[in-house]
Amino acid sequence: GAVVSQHPSRVICKSGTSVKIECRSLDFQATTMFWYRQFPKKSLMLMATSNEGSKATYEQGVEKDKFLINHASLTLSTLTVTSAHPEDSSFYICSAFRGTSGSDEQYFGPGTRLTVT
Amino acid sequence: KQEVTQIPAALSVPEGENLVLNCSFTDSAIYNLQWFRQDPGKGLTSLLLIQSSQREQTSGRLNASLDKSSGRSTLYIAASQPGDSATYLCAVTSGTYKYIFGTGTRLKVLA
Repeated sequence: GAVVSQHPSRVICKSGTSVKIECRSLDFQATTMFWYRQFPKKSLMLMATSNEGSKATYEQGVEKDKFLINHASLTLSTLTVTSAHPEDSSFYICSAFRGTSGSDEQYFGPGTRLTVT
Repeated sequence: KQEVTQIPAALSVPEGENLVLNCSFTDSAIYNLQWFRQDPGKGLTSLLLIQSSQREQTSGRLNASLDKSSGRSTLYIAASQPGDSATYLCAVTSGTYKYIFGTGTRLKVLA
């Protein structure tokens, strides 16, 4: 199956700093990627849709100035958590939509655990 | 607004039992439904994908069914094993391909 990677897998940062998380589709081109957030023992909540070459579309309640998304190429989307605070600590997961003929499946990355101290 | 609910929220069974996990969604206009497994602190492993035109998919000991009109899907796990212990998530997509995830079922299979 298709492979999606995330980097870093785990990051600890100090309050007030910014953190960038990368999501890469390793063996296919993804015009659309999605970013999800998961709180402990909770389900995944969609944060935003990242479209290659255009602005991301954010879900209601997600601060676009705090969670900056850039989809500069067909294989890479980045999520930057700006001025991170302890409440931003969470598990962030991306997915890449393949969308080719006969395959409309999304492939999920392994996740990035962010801890803000 | 699409809402996805999973019942039960948690389940503990002895090894060898057959079990059924339930997923219900409020808007039947879905594009597909997918079942995932998530181990603690890990990402998602795709188990089965059911397109809206399909009624079921099977993979090994797993069988997932879809009744779109009633807004329900079930995941059947045959002959459960301790290695099946994980959280199981169902998710649906609409034409925008955004996944709406269910609340999850935490499964524990006892040896």
